[in-house]
Amino acid sequence: EVQLVESGGGLVQPGGSLRLSCAASGFTFNTYWMHWVRQAPGKGLVWVSRIKSDGSSTSYADSVKGRFTISRDNARNTLYLQMSSLRAEDTAVYYCTRDGGWNTYEYWGQGTLVTVSS
Amino acid sequence: DIQMTQSPSSLSASVGDRVTITCRASQSISNYLNWYQQKPGKAPNLLISTASTLQSGVPSRFSGRGSGTDFTLTITSLQPEDFATYYCQQGSSVPLSFGGGTKVEIK
Repeated sequence: EVQLVESGGGLVQPGGSLRLSCAASGFTFNTYWMHWVRQAPGKGLVWVSRIKSDGSSTSYADSVKGRFTISRDNARNTLYLQMSSLRAEDTAVYYCTRDGGWNTYEYWGQGTLVTVSS
Repeated sequence: DIQMTQSPSSLSASVGDRVTITCRASQSISNYLNWYQQKPGKAPNLLISTASTLQSGVPSRFSGRGSGTDFTLTITSLQPEDFATYYCQQGSSVPLSFGGGTKVEIK
């Protein structure tokens, strides 16, 4: 059974940093592209970033470029999102997703809430 | 960047009704269009990929059509468990993008 379990969310002050993790199991992690998608409270879904199966290629939404870094540890079956210079508008539930091909979000984690507030 | 426009943003319907949601891309995305269902407090669930491929376990009352810029999601006979928010998403090019969502409510 495919499982994606996010962790690392919490309350952080504006300008602060946070690292999210996503532990993957039930599939061969190093053969799949992975993504982060976020959802602000009461709002719609927004793509944040993606990373190739071997970590050699990454992409970001303009809103997070230069502030967020996606990475993965295929030996640990774990996806990461390092977030810095956080802003109030980064407040959201962050979901880890597995790419089922052509940027299709086939499986989702339960999400982790990041709140940026003083 | 490709903009995805969904309509309507909300609708009220009764059990048994036929419901159609429309999604339009700002430029051609071939058939790289996916549909998701999200219930309150839960992660989204993939219903349909590449415009018309029904995912395993998804009831056959759900169907998707379209290519290029215009797409539809149809629920032929709305069931109580279908009341949720639906999102389209283009997988054609980065930055990837979603429609604004359609909330299907009980009339």
